[in-house]
Amino acid sequence: KAGVTQTPRYLIKTRGQQVTLSCSPISGHRSVSWYQQTPGQGLQFLFEYFSETQRNKGNFPGRFSGRQFSNSRSEMNVSTLELGDSALYLCASSFIAGGQNEQFFGPGTRLTVL
Amino acid sequence: QQPVQSPQAVILREGEDAVINCSSSKALYSVHWYRQKHGEAPVFLMILLKGGEQKGHEKISASFNEKKQQSSLYLTASQLSYSGTYFCGTESTGTDKLIFGTGTRLQVFP
Repeated sequence: KAGVTQTPRYLIKTRGQQVTLSCSPISGHRSVSWYQQTPGQGLQFLFEYFSETQRNKGNFPGRFSGRQFSNSRSEMNVSTLELGDSALYLCASSFIAGGQNEQFFGPGTRLTVL
Repeated sequence: QQPVQSPQAVILREGEDAVINCSSSKALYSVHWYRQKHGEAPVFLMILLKGGEQKGHEKISASFNEKKQQSSLYLTASQLSYSGTYFCGTESTGTDKLIFGTGTRLQVFP
């Protein structure tokens, strides 16, 4: 069974640009969550999607948005990039939604904003 | 809302034991534990649910004290492969959302 895949693995952007990250969950998993990981901050929850609907959202500005497609693949978009957006962005999939289920993480997308 | 983990870092020699704590200011429904090795994705260790029993496998186990809103991860007779950053994730009652702590970095030396 293939694991969670994320593309691209690395991105370099400049301030003000926008970026789209992609996540393909494990086959059969319908829930996808996104996290931002920075040194010292741990894993900061961005949002969770289940069956194409956003179920939960973290405390991030509106520049961070996401969506989920009918095949459960998810994309995350960050507009008007800031230097502080430089981070590892991880997505995780689980069979069903909610905080009681094991999450399977992808390898992440390393975003650098110059 | 973010759970607090302690200690922030632990240095061990092979064979020594360690305890990592995770505490929340809110009533908890579940606690997750994950380990992330350098340059890799976090990997699931275990989930503890409210009303559930202590869990563990091999030499890694965990407990969940609902009244104190705390969980502890126990690593017994540590091995080099235990090195990494350990994260607890907590789901507060009624939120259905998993929030992670800032992590505890564990290093095991021969």
